[in-house]
Amino acid sequence: EAQVTQNPRYLITVTGKKLTVTCSQNMNHEYMSWYRQDPGLGLRQIYYSMNVEVTDKGDVPEGYKVSRKEKRNFPLILESPSPNQTSLYFCASSIRDRGHNEQFFGPGTRLTVL
Amino acid sequence: AQSVTQLDSQVPVFEEAPVELRCNYSSSVSVYLFWYVQYPNQGLQLLLKYLSGSTLVKGINGFEAEFNKSQTSFHLRKPSVHISDTAEYFCAVTLSWGLTGGGNKLTFGTGTQLKVEL
Repeated sequence: EAQVTQNPRYLITVTGKKLTVTCSQNMNHEYMSWYRQDPGLGLRQIYYSMNVEVTDKGDVPEGYKVSRKEKRNFPLILESPSPNQTSLYFCASSIRDRGHNEQFFGPGTRLTVL
Repeated sequence: AQSVTQLDSQVPVFEEAPVELRCNYSSSVSVYLFWYVQYPNQGLQLLLKYLSGSTLVKGINGFEAEFNKSQTSFHLRKPSVHISDTAEYFCAVTLSWGLTGGGNKLTFGTGTQLKVEL
């Protein structure tokens, strides 16, 4: 089954404790992206990757890091989480093809930073 | 840069009534438009998309949307809603293919919560 998986689905942590949220897709997609969803703000892009070893900042990159060493994986790293990073996080992927722009979303990771 | 405005944060409607969820976008270049649905405690699912061609786009679950370039709108409609349509709906835009960053980066609106009541 074609899908985007994220782990963990739920995470409660404390300020300053480094964490990684994993994202993996099995569709051989070139493009992957991380979004955060906050009430009243919709989804905002954190980082994206056009292909292996190619990453760039989205609209709200502060406090986050990413890497793309393999095509299927795109982990999101919070080196020193703070309470304002409490949010619902989504990973998404898509192919890079003219006219085909559907992004497939993972189930989400709900992060609480105390 | 492109942007999306969803003026209605919440839309209550009775079951079997029609509904329209409004979306306006702003962009100086050609864009693609999308509607996504998020059911409670789930991820986002694509409802429909406009890339080119016919301005009336039909999607899943009986939804449709009409692209209006002159009014820069992409409103979502359904003639008769069901309880199961209760969800949050997001309008999104991306630059057309060939433009820098085009084809992939989605800019979302703030969402419209559709609540269908008996």
